[in-house]
Amino acid sequence: DAKTTQPPSMDCAEGRAANLPCNHSTISGNEYVYWYRQIHSQGPQYIIHGLKNNETNEMASLIITEDRKSSTLILPHATLRDTAVYYCIVRALNTGTASKLTFGTGTRLQVTL
Amino acid sequence: DTGVSQNPRHKITKRGQNVTFRCDPISEHNRLYWYRQTLGQGPEFLTYFQNEAQLEKSRLLSDRFSAERPKGSFSTLEIQRTEQGDSAMYLCASSITSGGAVEQFFGPGTRLTVL
Repeated sequence: DAKTTQPPSMDCAEGRAANLPCNHSTISGNEYVYWYRQIHSQGPQYIIHGLKNNETNEMASLIITEDRKSSTLILPHATLRDTAVYYCIVRALNTGTASKLTFGTGTRLQVTL
Repeated sequence: DTGVSQNPRHKITKRGQNVTFRCDPISEHNRLYWYRQTLGQGPEFLTYFQNEAQLEKSRLLSDRFSAERPKGSFSTLEIQRTEQGDSAMYLCASSITSGGAVEQFFGPGTRLTVL
């Protein structure tokens, strides 16, 4: 799986949009971009994933650049409960031995009042 | 609650003892994964099962570690002769099998402290 690079930490004011960047310059054509988050003392939680197109769900939006070498996770209206470590993961299709998730150290997002 | 469950949530043991953790996946999920997470790091893959078959094991899974999923439902992870370096959060996740991209659902983890 391709390697990802994320800033170690970010701050965001409550109610504002949180934009979390991720670089994945070595991504292959069959690799998806996944985002998970981990709130303190809990297991990771799936947020969103995408291949080429931008994606949106009830939690967040995922913007992938046209060359697919980077992406941005957007939390449109951050709340204190969004304080967590956010992991950007690049992963091939869910087949055979390509099933595991390879986590980096993620971005620690602190949402403040 | 129909999510992934893990027991116990916390385990404190003395070095050299054996410990066993249990994971109950979401009922219709045929894939089950084990990860380990140390302080300040992201989770690291240990092994995964499709039904009862163990299909991949990480080099992190030393001979002292063994995982089973005998009936393709719950799984156990055993660590023999624990060492202080085994202290970590052990996470279990499950997913369905699909030709496309699917998400893994994680349990709350078992925190192991080896004294």
